[in-house]
Amino acid sequence: EPEVTQTPSHQVTQMGQEVILRCVPISNHLYFYWYRQILGQKVEFLVSFYNNEISEKSEIFDDQFSVERPDGSNFTLKIRSTKLEDSAMYFCASSEPYRSETQYFGPGTRLLVL
Amino acid sequence: AQTVTQSQPEMSVQEAETVTLSCTYDTSESDYYLFWYKQPPSRQMILVIRQEAYKQQNATENRFSVNFQKAAKSFSLKISDSQLGDAAMYFCAYKIGAGSYQLTFGKGTKLSVIP
Repeated sequence: EPEVTQTPSHQVTQMGQEVILRCVPISNHLYFYWYRQILGQKVEFLVSFYNNEISEKSEIFDDQFSVERPDGSNFTLKIRSTKLEDSAMYFCASSEPYRSETQYFGPGTRLLVL
Repeated sequence: AQTVTQSQPEMSVQEAETVTLSCTYDTSESDYYLFWYKQPPSRQMILVIRQEAYKQQNATENRFSVNFQKAAKSFSLKISDSQLGDAAMYFCAYKIGAGSYQLTFGKGTKLSVIP
């Protein structure tokens, strides 16, 4: 069964450094998403991406964040200058054409900012 | 703004028994979707079941079923014949039917299964 994959599974970085989180969505999916989950808190929406542009973003998704689909398979989330409060689990998700309401999640990347 | 409330931070169930997890939501929309996701210790979010608001029939997926009460804005998950592998965090989520892509999640219910 096709799955969303994410790399790395864990990342430790120093405050102020740039990180890129990578995702490979399910191959025939056209909608892509990033969510984050700070430890012990609820999952929060960051951004959705369709047809090579951002379709929706939350207040959390400020100028330090960016997303990109650099080729036909990868979908990335870049955090330009990490802060301590960016420490969280980051989930990528994707959904099918014509069924964007059902989102399938990857296993997540645990980011720790020191 | 839509909100999703899960009032049970933790629940436990004996293996082979039935348990019901509660979820309520607040929305002024008539077209929306509701979901239950499972997050085991591995932290991956796994879709358990989904319900379209326009459907009166409650969704069922094997041992998992929902009780969708639209007027009460309630969406509970029933797990029958509980298994050890059902132990996880369970998140209720809402998505408006059109105009937004984001899922709004509740805080989750931690389910323990007692052998």
